[in-house]
Amino acid sequence: SQTIHQWPATLVQPVGSPLSLECTVEGTSNPNLYWYRQAAGRGLQLLFYSVGIGQISSEVPQNLSASRPQDRQFILSSKKLLLSDSGFYLCAFSSGGQGIYGYTFGSGTRLTVV
Amino acid sequence: AQSVTQLGSHVSVSEGALVLLRCNYSSSVPPYLFWYVQYPNQGLQLLLKYTTGATLVKGINGFEAEFKKSETSFHLTKPSAHMSDAAEYFCAVSGPNAGKSTFGDGTTLTVKP
Repeated sequence: SQTIHQWPATLVQPVGSPLSLECTVEGTSNPNLYWYRQAAGRGLQLLFYSVGIGQISSEVPQNLSASRPQDRQFILSSKKLLLSDSGFYLCAFSSGGQGIYGYTFGSGTRLTVV
Repeated sequence: AQSVTQLGSHVSVSEGALVLLRCNYSSSVPPYLFWYVQYPNQGLQLLLKYTTGATLVKGINGFEAEFKKSETSFHLTKPSAHMSDAAEYFCAVSGPNAGKSTFGDGTTLTVKP
C-alpha cells in the first residue's frame, strides 16, 4: 500500500535557527510531491511541488526552500527561521500526474518559532 | 486559474440531522474535485473525489457529493450526522498542471448531542 511518513510531529525553534523537515513516500514510484502550510483557521497554501528528482517549483516567495534528493524523499528547509514561519506544515503526494487520484497527506509538523 | 469557495466557516448540526457543506469552484478546464476531512493535529484524509462520469459520488463514512457543472458546485452531504463526524472539511479543485490542488478555507463541522 502507499504510505507517507512525515517528521517530526512538533518542533519549537528559535528565530534565526535552521530548519529541516522531511517526508518519505512508500509504495509508489515517481510521485508528485507537495509541501503545504496551514495557518490557523485558514486553508492550505501550496509552498512547493516536485514532479521529479531535483525538480522543484516554488509557489510563493519566502524564507523556505525545498529539495528532492531521491524519488520518494522531499525536504523542506530554511537557513534562518522567522517568526512568520510558524504554522502547520503538511507533505503530500499524488500518484497520478494530473492529480486525478487526489492527495495522500502526511500527519503534519507543528512548527513554532520563538 | 482555479479557486474554491466554501460557504460557511462553521456549521453546527444535531446528531442524526442532515449534514450539508457547501463548495463552489472556479476552473478554466474540466475540474477534478475533492473533499478532505481533517481531525485536530492530523493530516487531511480523502473523503471522495469527482473526476469524470457519474456526477453523484459516494465516499467513506457515508458521505456523498454531487457535481453540478451549471452551478459550479460540489456540495458534501450526509443523511445522518454522527458525533464522530465533527472535524474540519476541505473542498479542493485540481488541474492538469502537475496535479496541483487549490483548497478552500475549510468548514468546521460541530455535531451536538
